Amino acid sequence: GNSVTQMEGPVTLSEEAFLTINCTYTATGYPSLFWYVQYPGEGLQLLLKATKADDKGSNKGFEATYRKETTSFHLEKGSVQVSDSAVYFCALGVFGNEKLTFGTGTRLTIIP
Amino acid sequence: NAGVTQTPKFQVLKTGQSMTLQCAQDMNHEYMSWYRQDPGMGLRLIHYSVGAGITDQGEVPNGYNVSRSTTEDFPLRLLSAAPSQTSVYFCASSWRGRNEQFFGPGTRLTVL
Repeated sequence: GNSVTQMEGPVTLSEEAFLTINCTYTATGYPSLFWYVQYPGEGLQLLLKATKADDKGSNKGFEATYRKETTSFHLEKGSVQVSDSAVYFCALGVFGNEKLTFGTGTRLTIIP
Repeated sequence: NAGVTQTPKFQVLKTGQSMTLQCAQDMNHEYMSWYRQDPGMGLRLIHYSVGAGITDQGEVPNGYNVSRSTTEDFPLRLLSAAPSQTSVYFCASSWRGRNEQFFGPGTRLTVL
């Protein structure tokens, strides 16, 4: 079956530090990969996505590249801000099927 | 567009009580789903629907009922609440065949 393994948290960084949150997956078929973000007290919002191998998703300074050879979709940001403090979820979906498989989430805290 | 709305935002129940969590969307999405979010567990799918009159079980359906009489609404019923159902519940929707899901703000439920 499909599964997503996500870097354990919590992660605490200083402002302007470089961020990496690891995500690896196992899947049958042709998965699309997503990063969702959940700000305190809110629902999940789509942060970025990639639908095929070697695609790079990007949004708000975050990037992730779909690596089929390593079955990974790591989230990166060059310089984090306090406003990036949130829980980040990696997720996998298979083409033609609406269901998503989520990782356990990584809580990120940025200190000034 | 209001997107996906959920009511109530917070709820406290006693063991054995019943209640309905409301979810509505105004994007004409065919697919709707309910997740629960628990610490260290990520999001787990409870029930889903691919259209009015069609529902199916997800990963953790026990203790929950759903119905889908209209495209817009997808209520989740707890028939006899148990402390194990203390969680944050999210409703999500998407177009058929599309993985990108739109989430509501969530309902935080405590069962005493």
